[in-house]
Amino acid sequence: DAKTTQPTSMDCAEGRAANLPCNHSTISGNEYVYWYRQIHSQGPQYIIHGLKNNETNEMASLIITEDRKSSTLILPHATLRDTAVYYCIVRVGGSRLTFGEGTQLTVNP
Amino acid sequence: NAGVTQTPKFQVLKTGQSMTLQCAQDMNHNSMYWYRQDPGMGLRLIYYSASEGTTDKGEVPNGYNVSRLNKREFSLRLESAAPSQTSVYFCASSLAPQISDTQYFGPGTRLTVL
Repeated sequence: DAKTTQPTSMDCAEGRAANLPCNHSTISGNEYVYWYRQIHSQGPQYIIHGLKNNETNEMASLIITEDRKSSTLILPHATLRDTAVYYCIVRVGGSRLTFGEGTQLTVNP
Repeated sequence: NAGVTQTPKFQVLKTGQSMTLQCAQDMNHNSMYWYRQDPGMGLRLIYYSASEGTTDKGEVPNGYNVSRLNKREFSLRLESAAPSQTSVYFCASSLAPQISDTQYFGPGTRLTVL
């Protein structure tokens, strides 16, 4: 599975959009980009995933660059409850999720 | 639906004791997984079961055994606990081990081995 690079931490003001970047320059053509988050001490929560096209659901939007070497997770209106560690994972196959260190997002009032 | 449930939520063991962590899912998923998470680190896969009746080792299987009791339940056993096994254990499930499957996680079991 391709390796990902994320910033260690980010801050965002409540009500503003949070844009979390992820680099995955060695991604293969059949690898998906997944985003999970982990709120303190809880189990990881699935957010969104995509292959080539941009995706949107009730939680977030995922923007993948045309060359697929990077992506951005967008939380359109961040709230205090969105404070969490966000993991960008690139994977093929279904048996393994490889969690790196992720990005600690802190939403400030 | 309760999703993925785990018992117990907390456990303290002495070195050498044994215990079984229980996991159950009510989403009719075929695949189930056990992860551990050490402080300040990401999750690491211990064992997984792609379907009922099968189990396979993950990244860190040493010191653990698993049983896929039926489609709903997947247990993790520590035969002789060691302090290095102090961790938070998460169970997860997914519909099938396909290329784009989504894993759903339980709330975790916090284990301390003294």
